[in-house]
Amino acid sequence: GQQVMQIPQYQHVQEGEDFTTYCNSSTTLSNIQWYKQRPGGHPVFLIQLVKSGEVKKQKRLTFQFGEAKKNSSLHITATQTTDVGTYFCAGADRGSTLGRLYFGRGTQLTVWP
Amino acid sequence: GAVVSQHPSRVICKSGTSVKIECRSLDFQATTMFWYRQFPKKSLMLMATSNEGSKATYEQGVEKDKFLINHASLTLSTLTVTSAHPEDSSFYICSAKKGLAGSTDTQYFGPGTRLTVL
Repeated sequence: GQQVMQIPQYQHVQEGEDFTTYCNSSTTLSNIQWYKQRPGGHPVFLIQLVKSGEVKKQKRLTFQFGEAKKNSSLHITATQTTDVGTYFCAGADRGSTLGRLYFGRGTQLTVWP
Repeated sequence: GAVVSQHPSRVICKSGTSVKIECRSLDFQATTMFWYRQFPKKSLMLMATSNEGSKATYEQGVEKDKFLINHASLTLSTLTVTSAHPEDSSFYICSAKKGLAGSTDTQYFGPGTRLTVL
């Protein structure tokens, strides 16, 4: 069945360092979405990528969708303590009739001041 | 915006009792709502997908008789954990989606319900 793998599971960085999390799907996706969950909170939508090779930026965050629409990455430049949280990717299966998303296991980011 | 509320935020119950959790989309009509379960420091595990007015579609391994889902209106879905046991203790999160059933639009998450079964 559909699987979305996400690495790394944990990442600890010093404030100011960069951070990247990667997602890989076993099948071609129609789109991929990224969510952030702060400690004790709930997932909050960040962005959706739809086109092959798409790159989107939100301030220090850069999101990429692979050419084959099977992988994606989130890169944070010069991390800040406010970036702390777990980042989830979620892939939408092209063949899904339910509109469900397949979530990666998440990357928990810790930023040391 | 797109706001989703959940009630209650926390519930503690005795083993064997049933607990109902409500999920509401406050400022939009949700054609589809999803129920997830999240264990500490783990990913979101989809339990079921529900479309308004029809039976929920449960994921493999999720007991539909134990986790009853009702999606009676475009703004309300409920999850009832029947005869709860300590192993049902978890963080339950709902999400709601605008758009056509089957589309993969953004999901808006509720704040979650922390269930503790003694």
